[in-house]
Amino acid sequence: EDQVTQSPEALRLQEGESSSLNCSYTVSGLRGLFWYRQDPGKGPEFLFTLYSAGEEKEKERLKATLTKKESFLHITAPKPEDSATYLCAVNSGGSNYKLTFGKGTLLTVNP
Amino acid sequence: ETGVTQSPTHLIKTRGQQVTLRCSSQSGHNTVSWYQQALGQGPQFIFQYYREEENGRGNFPPRFSGLQFPNYSSELNVNALELDDSALYLCAFSSGGGNQPQHFGDGTRLSIL
Repeated sequence: EDQVTQSPEALRLQEGESSSLNCSYTVSGLRGLFWYRQDPGKGPEFLFTLYSAGEEKEKERLKATLTKKESFLHITAPKPEDSATYLCAVNSGGSNYKLTFGKGTLLTVNP
Repeated sequence: ETGVTQSPTHLIKTRGQQVTLRCSSQSGHNTVSWYQQALGQGPQFIFQYYREEENGRGNFPPRFSGLQFPNYSSELNVNALELDDSALYLCAFSSGGGNQPQHFGDGTRLSIL
């Protein structure tokens, strides 16, 4: 069974203080690893898809990387508007395309 | 904006009642998935529909059932509601394929009294 573990559970940063969120996964065969951002009372908002080890994707202050066992979401010079819960999910194949999610990392960026 | 609409946004029910939640998309994507998200947890897969047929199911009892219509919109039905069913119910559309992202609505917050 697919497993996704995210760490830390919560992270508090000062504005401009860069850091990384971790997503460790165990799957039988990775089809895709997905990062989402979720604001309170909202649904998850798609950020990135990573398909194979060594791949990197960037969007504004966010950069996602992938190895065979984990993914990192690097946040460079964060701003208060980056505060949200960041969710990692995997799809490992089979006949359906379900996503298995981690519990998320709650990021708070203080001004 | 993902173009995914869920209704209602909030709902309060009592134990033993039945509920129907609805989901639609403007994207034309033909695969819809439903997830349950408890407070402080990641979403958990309930089931998926592709071309009006169930295409996979998570560890949820049969009292959770669904439908997909020809226009790809979908319903989630839950019978004999239990207190533990209180959660945010999310639907997501995708074009199919495990490497394609799923795009979520903002969910229905279901509270069971």
